[in-house]
Amino acid sequence: AQKVTQAQTEISVVEKEDVTLDCVYETRDTTYYLFWYKQPPSGELVFLIRRNSFDEQNEISGRYSWNFQKSTSSFNFTITASQVVDSAVYFCALSERNTGTASKLTFGTGTRLQVTL
Amino acid sequence: DAMVIQNPRYQVTQFGKPVTLSCSQTLNHNVMYWYQQKSSQAPKLLFHYYDKDFNNEADTPDNFQSRRPNTSFCFLDIRSPGLGDAAMYLCATSWRQPTDTQYFGPGTRLTVL
Repeated sequence: AQKVTQAQTEISVVEKEDVTLDCVYETRDTTYYLFWYKQPPSGELVFLIRRNSFDEQNEISGRYSWNFQKSTSSFNFTITASQVVDSAVYFCALSERNTGTASKLTFGTGTRLQVTL
Repeated sequence: DAMVIQNPRYQVTQFGKPVTLSCSQTLNHNVMYWYQQKSSQAPKLLFHYYDKDFNNEADTPDNFQSRRPNTSFCFLDIRSPGLGDAAMYLCATSWRQPTDTQYFGPGTRLTVL
């Protein structure tokens, strides 16, 4: 069965520091997708990125970057020059191709990021 | 803008009094999902509709029901809310493939008195 592990429960940084959120996954499927979602205090889950298992290229979007390494089954998320608005809970999630109908997300337990001035 | 909308954002009900939460979408997605999220936990899938087909998760209590009268709307009915049902309820939508992205609404925070 699939599993997503986010070992960091809570991280606190000072504004402008870089921070990396770890995500390790387990799956038997050869075709799968990985996701990161942000959940600010308002509660909405905001989609950040989707990456398929065949694309190991790292991705950068502004201050956000993602490092996907199949060899270590990891999909880590780095925020450069963190800001107070980055304070949120971040969820890593996995979906597999062979789940029958529709998407089935397996979530990690989330990492709470607190950015202070 | 295309989006997922949930109403109300905050709902207070009494123990045992039925309550209905609403979700609508302008994305025209095939699939609509309902999740329950309790404090400091990941969202837990309750069920989803694939077009008109209802798919219940094995561990979803019978107390939770859902209706999807058309493509745009989906409702979550809690027949007899207990104190343990107090949570954030999130609606999400996606296209039909198992690996398609799910887009979430803002959630409804349910309080049970």
